[in-house]
Amino acid sequence: DAGITQSPRHKVTETGTPVTLRCHQTENHRYMYWYRQDPGHGLRLIHYSYGVKDTDKGEVSDGYSVSRSKTEDFLLTLESATSSQTSVYFCAISEPPRYNEQFFGPGTRLTVL
Amino acid sequence: AQTVTQSQPEMSVQEAETVTLSCTYDTSESDYYLFWYKQPPSRQMILVIRQEAYKQQNATENRFSVNFQKAAKSFSLKISDSQLGDAAMYFCVFTSGTYKYIFGTGTRLKVLA
Repeated sequence: DAGITQSPRHKVTETGTPVTLRCHQTENHRYMYWYRQDPGHGLRLIHYSYGVKDTDKGEVSDGYSVSRSKTEDFLLTLESATSSQTSVYFCAISEPPRYNEQFFGPGTRLTVL
Repeated sequence: AQTVTQSQPEMSVQEAETVTLSCTYDTSESDYYLFWYKQPPSRQMILVIRQEAYKQQNATENRFSVNFQKAAKSFSLKISDSQLGDAAMYFCVFTSGTYKYIFGTGTRLKVLA
């Protein structure tokens, strides 16, 4: 299994509080991604990174920011959590063209009350 | 824009029988990759099978095989000798080899004992 961990695995927070989710990989893959999964939508891309300090927005980036200061870590921050951000969040990595498939972390279930 | 369509939200199959999950996609690219991922109740996203568009031969992995019809833009997954452990959500995924991965909305497979 690809070495990808996410922390925390579960979190309950209140509206308006900041939240940071962490993704850590041991595979030295260049690309890292944050997705959210909601019923009926599959996985939707929030942000991705193509190298240290190189990040870009995905299709549902409003309300989220990211940072990547090291190859192995990719942080997702909700500056002020809202109930609409209640979701399951997945981190993924890839290394095209050597590995075109994505490898996924175990997911984080976030509930915003 | 590239799209992936899974028109079967839910399917059922008897244990030991064969089932086929459908996926169609739309792209103007000639070079791309297609994947099927399995998501069991544990939430972990597991790569089931991959297909490179330039390969005419259909990919197989043990009981899993695909029917890749490039002209029709169709990529179906066949599961033979279905087992209880095959019960999961299955996602069809497209990438042209860049950072962008397009997910279908998923098909939930139930396996009946």
